[in-house]
Amino acid sequence: DVKVTQSSRYLVKRTGEKVFLECVQDMDHENMFWYRQDPGLGLRLIYFSYDVKMKEKGDIPEGYSVSREKKERFSLILESASTNQTSMYLCASSPSDGRGNNEQFFGPGTRLTVL
Amino acid sequence: EDKVVQSPLSLVVHEGDTVTLNCSYEVTNFRSLLWYKQEKKAPTFLFMLTSSGIEKKSGRLSSILDKKELFSILNITATQTGDSAIYLCAVDHNTNAGKSTFGDGTTLTVKP
Repeated sequence: DVKVTQSSRYLVKRTGEKVFLECVQDMDHENMFWYRQDPGLGLRLIYFSYDVKMKEKGDIPEGYSVSREKKERFSLILESASTNQTSMYLCASSPSDGRGNNEQFFGPGTRLTVL
Repeated sequence: EDKVVQSPLSLVVHEGDTVTLNCSYEVTNFRSLLWYKQEKKAPTFLFMLTSSGIEKKSGRLSSILDKKELFSILNITATQTGDSAIYLCAVDHNTNAGKSTFGDGTTLTVKP
């Protein structure tokens, strides 16, 4: 069974705090993704990574950074949290080309509230 | 700009009804279209479609892709309350990173 785990299900932080969201997958997937999901806005891609130490900006990278030091772990960092970053954050992983379906496997999500 | 549009945004039906969910897209470097179901937590994969006109089926759910008209539909027959969820459509891009563009989702509510 593919497993994608996220470090916290619920998180409450204060404006200006540095926030780390961790994601770990156990299927040796090359690709990993961070999304945020807000009502009426669907899933919006923040950053993704196709290899260790490689990262690419998604559609809404402002205010976020990422780190991928190991293949199985992809971290999302909010350098200085703001109230408009209150959201559900979903991590996902997928294998690279030629290794089966292209579907992404999602973690359970972290609901972050910034006060 | 890549775009995936789902309709309707929400739908309320009664058990036993048949529903059709729509997904249209305008993307560069199309590789495949995927449908996901999201209940309370993480989206889970339903179907991947790469070729026009070939129906994919799983129980009461089926889906088909039209690459000429750039859309896909997801059908659910004899709906049950357990089908209540957000249904997400995503288009996978032909890049090494496996990037997908998601639609906003259709929220389906099935009443007993």
